[in-house]
Amino acid sequence: QKEVEQNSGPLSVPEGAIASLNCTYSDRGSQSFFWYRQYSGKSPELIMSIYSNGDKEDGRFTAQLNKASQYVSLLIRDSQPSDSATYLCAVPTDKLIFGTGTRLQVFP
Amino acid sequence: GAVVSQHPSWVICKSGTSVKIECRSLDFQATTMFWYRQFPKQSLMLMATSNEGSKATYEQGVEKDKFLINHASLTLSTLTVTSAHPEDSSFYICSASPPGVLYNEQFFGPGTRLTVL
Repeated sequence: QKEVEQNSGPLSVPEGAIASLNCTYSDRGSQSFFWYRQYSGKSPELIMSIYSNGDKEDGRFTAQLNKASQYVSLLIRDSQPSDSATYLCAVPTDKLIFGTGTRLQVFP
Repeated sequence: GAVVSQHPSWVICKSGTSVKIECRSLDFQATTMFWYRQFPKQSLMLMATSNEGSKATYEQGVEKDKFLINHASLTLSTLTVTSAHPEDSSFYICSASPPGVLYNEQFFGPGTRLTVL
């Protein structure tokens, strides 16, 4: 059974800080990884995709992938209260395998 | 690009009635769409994979006779909840992958909130 694991949180960080969200996966053959953001009562929104080892930056978001350690993370710089949401890590196979999500709370 | 819409955004119905939810890919053709269900404070649960022109593939434990899926065109999949009961009240979300995306990124519709009285 392919698995994706995340700490459910909540992860609480002050406004302006860096939020670090982590995800591990079981399938060594996985080639790509996605981060989705889901606000309460809304559907998931794709915010980052990463396929290669190393870092990928997009605005305040940086995804980090380490295939040897089977680890992918999402860093949010200068966290804002509007970043408060659940962040889902996902690995595509014939369907998406989701982690349970980490709830992030950014307090003013 | 990659916009997925759903209709209706919310629906309230009486127990025993059937409800149809539409999922449309607005700017691309989707041979495959996915239907998820999410209960409050719980994770997304994949219900079924909808395949254009063929039968849907249901996940284990999902009743195919209760959740009817029709993928009649490359831009439309429908989910019909038959004989709905209060325990079917949930947030139903569809998704699709546009052709040409390298790694099957899925884009989600806004969801349909179903309340069965």
